[in-house]
This record gives sequence, structure tokens and C-alpha cells, in this order.
Amino acid sequence: DTEVTQTPKHLVMGMTNKKSLKCEQHMGHRAMYWYKQKAKKPPELMFVYSYEKLSINESVPSRFSPECPNSSLLNLHLHALQPEDSALYLCASSQGNREVSGANVLTFGAGSRLTVL
Amino acid sequence: GDSVTQMEGPVTLSEEAFLTINCTYTATGYPSLFWYVQYPGEGLQLLLKATKADDKGSNKGFEATYRKETTSFHLEKGSVQVSDSAVYFCALRDLSNTGNQFYFGTGTSLTVIP
Repeated sequence: DTEVTQTPKHLVMGMTNKKSLKCEQHMGHRAMYWYKQKAKKPPELMFVYSYEKLSINESVPSRFSPECPNSSLLNLHLHALQPEDSALYLCASSQGNREVSGANVLTFGAGSRLTVL
Repeated sequence: GDSVTQMEGPVTLSEEAFLTINCTYTATGYPSLFWYVQYPGEGLQLLLKATKADDKGSNKGFEATYRKETTSFHLEKGSVQVSDSAVYFCALRDLSNTGNQFYFGTGTSLTVIP
């Protein structure tokens, strides 16, 4: 199994709603990532979890709350979002080891397209 | 710090034309280099990779060579097809730093016309 699965594929929410994006991988990867991507732009890193601990938070507003319940799952809880938060949210994973010899490839899911009304 | 500079697009080519997308990098340590491709409405997919100087990554007719002397990793394909229309991202991961961070270029949009 070499996939990262994201649900839902599409989400429309109001500014007062609470919703969650989910991500799952079964490749034994120990690093998991959330990226935000606007149209025609590169992915912007939001959060990194290494061995289920939050290791990088790129100054993301608190209306985005990540959670890593176990090594296979990553959630992004959304609350009180703004219309400018509408974007494609990409989950990714990598081996997470500082191996000099490995390629340590980043594997992406297909994304969750979020629209905030 | 680490960064990737990528050729600005968009690029429009006729089918069977030669493709080059330039990518240069700055890294403090020993980066691995990657090209990712994103088709419309999808996530990013790994296209090819190289982990050390002079390595050549290749896949689906695309090639890129890790050139340490010029800090470059240019993507090439000898004969593009309409199905190659996508956005291409150059990326690096510096294995000498303690984080698990990957750095992406700005992306180059390629359109191939029949």
C-alpha cells in the first residue's frame, strides 16, 4: 500500500462551522504533513508531525488545529475559518528518518478542496 | 537557508517538442532533489529523484541530473505529449538539518498542444 488517503475530497463550510479533514497512510511512515495550496501556487507547509509529535508549526492561525492520533492518522480540525482559507489542503507523509542514503520521498494524498462561504 | 528557484512559466509547447525546465537550489548541507508533477485537480506525484551529486533521475521519459557544481537539477524530456500538460515542481530536502522539511519551487505550468 503506497497511498495517502484524504477525506473528504470536497468540503464546503460556513464561517461558524466546525469540520475536520482526515488523512491516513499505511506505509509505516513516521512523518506526516499538512500543506495548503492556492491555485497556481506551490504547496505551503502548515504542520509537520514526526513520530506523532508536532515538530513544525509554520505560524498557522489557531483556527487550524492539527491532531495525530497514531502513526497512521493525521487530522486537521477547522473552526471559524475565513473565506481566504479556501484552498486545496494536501496531506503528505515521509519515512521521517534522517537517513543519508535514502531518498526519503514525500508522498502526497489527492487533497481536500475546501470552500469557506 | 535552503531554497529552490524554478523557471517561471507558463510554458507552451507543441507535441513532440523538447522540454527543459530549469531549477537551481541553495542548501547548507547535502540535499536530495526531486521533481513533482501535479495534474489538474490532483495532488502532487513524485516524478523523479536524485540523492547525490551526478545522480540522474529518470521516469516516463523525463530526466534530471544532480549537478553540484552548478547547483542545478534541470528537468528535460526529448518529446513531450499532450498528456504531459501539468504543473511541475522542483523540490529539495536537506538531510543535514534536523527537521523533516521539504522546500518547493514556485512551479512551472506546462501546456502541450497537439
